[in-house]
Amino acid sequence: DGGITQSPKYLFRKEGQNVTLSCEQNLNHDAMYWYRQDPGQGLRLIYYSQIVNDFQKGDIAEGYSVSREKKESFPLTVTSAQKNPTAFYLCASSIRPGRLITHEQYFGPGTRLTVT
Amino acid sequence: AQKVTQAQTEISVVEKEDVTLDCVYETRDTTYYLFWYKQPPSGELVFLIRRNSFDEQNEISGRYSWNFQKSTSSFNFTITASQVVDSAVYFCALSEAFNAGNNRKLIWGLGTSLAVNP
Repeated sequence: DGGITQSPKYLFRKEGQNVTLSCEQNLNHDAMYWYRQDPGQGLRLIYYSQIVNDFQKGDIAEGYSVSREKKESFPLTVTSAQKNPTAFYLCASSIRPGRLITHEQYFGPGTRLTVT
Repeated sequence: AQKVTQAQTEISVVEKEDVTLDCVYETRDTTYYLFWYKQPPSGELVFLIRRNSFDEQNEISGRYSWNFQKSTSSFNFTITASQVVDSAVYFCALSEAFNAGNNRKLIWGLGTSLAVNP
């Protein structure tokens, strides 16, 4: 089955520790995205990547880092510099946007990170 | 600046009622895309529909229908004969396709939480 996997579903960390959230897709999509969702809020874009070895900051990139070494994988590291890391993190992928075409994004099940 | 407004924060209906979720957007672009997503309690966002700005035809998919009106910058979503399984948060999103070039993003509304009660 084609889809996006995120692991683990729940993650607990102590303050001051870096933590990496995994995201893997087998949809053969070029573009991948990381979002953060807080209770009662919409989605906020952290980072996105339109092609391997390239990525751009989204609206709230501070305290986060990513890599895109493989087409299938787009891991997100939440660093100790992120002041309020407890949130629900969603990974998505899509066909790369064309000149005048934006494709729908498909989402993984999410990782709920709790930092205490 | 782009903006998406979902004015209804929460809606509660009884099963079998029809319900309409509103989405109003702002954009200066002439070419753009609109999306609806469903987020059930499990948390995963499920894609429902994509519509481009040149296609104003209404769309129906089973109990779901969408009404796109450029004149009022609205892209409303109606669920007919609602069911308990429709209980979820529904998000509307917008993406400009011309002004933003290839580095375009989805602009999300804050969502409407729909509760369908038996």
